[in-house]
Amino acid sequence: KAGVTQTPRYLIKTRGQQVTLSCSPISGHRSVSWYQQTPGQGLQFLFEYFSETQRNKGNFPGRFSGRQFSNSRSEMNVSTLELGDSALYLCASSRQGNTEAFFGQGTRLTVV
Amino acid sequence: KQEVTQIPAALSVPEGENLVLNCSFTDSAIYNLQWFRQDPGKGLTSLLLIQSSQREQTSGRLNASLDKSSGRSTLYIAASQPGDSATYLCAVGTNAGGTSYGKLTFGQGTILTVHP
Repeated sequence: KAGVTQTPRYLIKTRGQQVTLSCSPISGHRSVSWYQQTPGQGLQFLFEYFSETQRNKGNFPGRFSGRQFSNSRSEMNVSTLELGDSALYLCASSRQGNTEAFFGQGTRLTVV
Repeated sequence: KQEVTQIPAALSVPEGENLVLNCSFTDSAIYNLQWFRQDPGKGLTSLLLIQSSQREQTSGRLNASLDKSSGRSTLYIAASQPGDSATYLCAVGTNAGGTSYGKLTFGQGTILTVHP
């Protein structure tokens, strides 16, 4: 079966711009979570969506937002990009949120 | 606040050795624990999932154990191969009610190098 698909794979943006990342979960999975991975901080939880509702949120500024559609696909948006937002952004899907999580290949965001 | 620690941070072994990676967590109220591997620049591949009611899981040359009361998990890799070289990450899902679902707390990882 198809895995978790993230698009695009790579992005280069300028400070102050905004960006939207997309995540298509495994069919039948209703939970989508987003993580930021950097060399210094490791993997940090951004937020989780389940059946179109944000159920859990990490400690990130309001510039980071997301949403989930009725087909469980999710998007993450970062506004007013800063250099420190450069990272690998990973999404994970699971059936219920407390079951096995499967990750996509990530989107590498570089802010210049 | 859940904190996850992995020891060692890096490990280099010759091919064929059996090895153990360690993971500890501070809050024992977890609903599951997962081990992942990550190759450079890539996403995470799920290796093993242990539910909070389980003590261990096995898949091929991998065996993971969980001692929830002491806040520890180990990943045992038998007969290591160069293809096992990767970063291994431990992640726990903490049970703080329904709102905690979907949030995994990760350790910093163990960088494993298996040389021929």
